[in-house]
Amino acid sequence: EDQVTQSPEALRLQEGESSSLNCSYTVSGLRGLFWYRQDPGKGPEFLFTLYSAGEEKEKERLKATLTKKESFLHITAPKPEDSATYLCAVQTDTGFQKLVFGTGTRLLVSP
Amino acid sequence: EAGVAQSPRYKIIEKRQSVAFWCNPISGHATLYWYQQILGQGPKLLIQFQNNGVVDDSQLPKDRFSAERLKGVDSTLKIQPAKLEDSAVYLCASSFGLGLAGGPTDTQYFGPGTRLTVL
Repeated sequence: EDQVTQSPEALRLQEGESSSLNCSYTVSGLRGLFWYRQDPGKGPEFLFTLYSAGEEKEKERLKATLTKKESFLHITAPKPEDSATYLCAVQTDTGFQKLVFGTGTRLLVSP
Repeated sequence: EAGVAQSPRYKIIEKRQSVAFWCNPISGHATLYWYQQILGQGPKLLIQFQNNGVVDDSQLPKDRFSAERLKGVDSTLKIQPAKLEDSAVYLCASSFGLGLAGGPTDTQYFGPGTRLTVL
């Protein structure tokens, strides 16, 4: 069965304190790994898609990387507005584009 | 570009009552998804439509949940009768492609969700 595990469950940072979120996965065949951001009371907002090991993508203070077993979301010099839950999801080559999500990491950035 | 629209945003019902949620996807998107997100968990796919046909409903509790997508655009998800464990946020998402198995990976865009509380 396809599984996605995210760690830590929650992370509290001071403004400017860089850190990384982890997403480890076990799937039969990976077609894509997705990162979403979810604010309270809202739906997930798309951030990145990674397709193969070694791939990296950046957007503002966020950088996502992918290996054969896990993905990292690096947050450089975070600001309070980066506070949100970050969700990782995988799409496998056996499903009809179904996303299998992890439980997310709740990030709180204090000023 | 307008995003995925959902209504209502909030709904409170008693157990054993029925409820329906509505979704309007991004214009031109062929594939529509309904996910259930229980508090503290990631979204879980309930059903996926390609145009107006169902391609995956393997995790839909068919004894109480039903969904339709008439004319390949709007969709309705219904629960009848509701149970306490149905309390969750119901998210609708859409993607441009046909959502075919083995096809190109397609980005899913989510609506704001409907928060259901069953008392």
